[in-house]
Amino acid sequence: DVKVTQSSRYLVKRTGEKVFLECVQDMDHENMFWYRQDPGLGLRLIYFSYDVKMKEKGDIPEGYSVSREKKERFSLILESASTNQTSMYLCASSIYSGGARDGYTFGSGTRLTVV
Amino acid sequence: DAKTTQPPSMDCAEGRAANLPCNHSTISGNEYVYWYRQIHSQGPQYIIHGLKNNETNEMASLIITEDRKSSTLILPHATLRDTAVYYCIVRLYTGTASKLTFGTGTRLQVTL
Repeated sequence: DVKVTQSSRYLVKRTGEKVFLECVQDMDHENMFWYRQDPGLGLRLIYFSYDVKMKEKGDIPEGYSVSREKKERFSLILESASTNQTSMYLCASSIYSGGARDGYTFGSGTRLTVV
Repeated sequence: DAKTTQPPSMDCAEGRAANLPCNHSTISGNEYVYWYRQIHSQGPQYIIHGLKNNETNEMASLIITEDRKSSTLILPHATLRDTAVYYCIVRLYTGTASKLTFGTGTRLQVTL
């Protein structure tokens, strides 16, 4: 069964800490994405990557950075965590399929609390 | 990407068909309609997508109007496990990392 695995289900960090959220996929997908989900706001795209070492800003990149050194791994970095970054973070991947089914596969999410 | 409009919530009796509408009146000719759902505390799950023709798979059917300005997701025999938030998304498929933009979706409650 193909999977997108996020390293932590729950995480509590202190304000000002540098936080790494890890995501690994085993489907050899080219594309990977980071979203955050907040009540009433739905899912909002933070960053995405369509190849190793490539990254593109999403709709809300401020306060975040990403790293993609290997195809299967996409990391989200909070350089200095703040309380307004308390949220559910979701990682997803998709294949460049040239027109065939092109659904995203999501991980189960990391619920981050910044105190 | 075109914007979509969905009702915030719907109810459906177990065993009946659930018909979830979506308006996408500004859709362009090469934009696809995608449906995802999110069960509580899980990541969104792909259901189905289509361009012009109606589509069916093991999970659901997608009916797209001829003018493509609206669509309906049909769960033919809803069960309690279908209780979830359903997202209708319109996206230009480019083959690269074309992003999905999620709205707030429709919360479907399936009841006994």
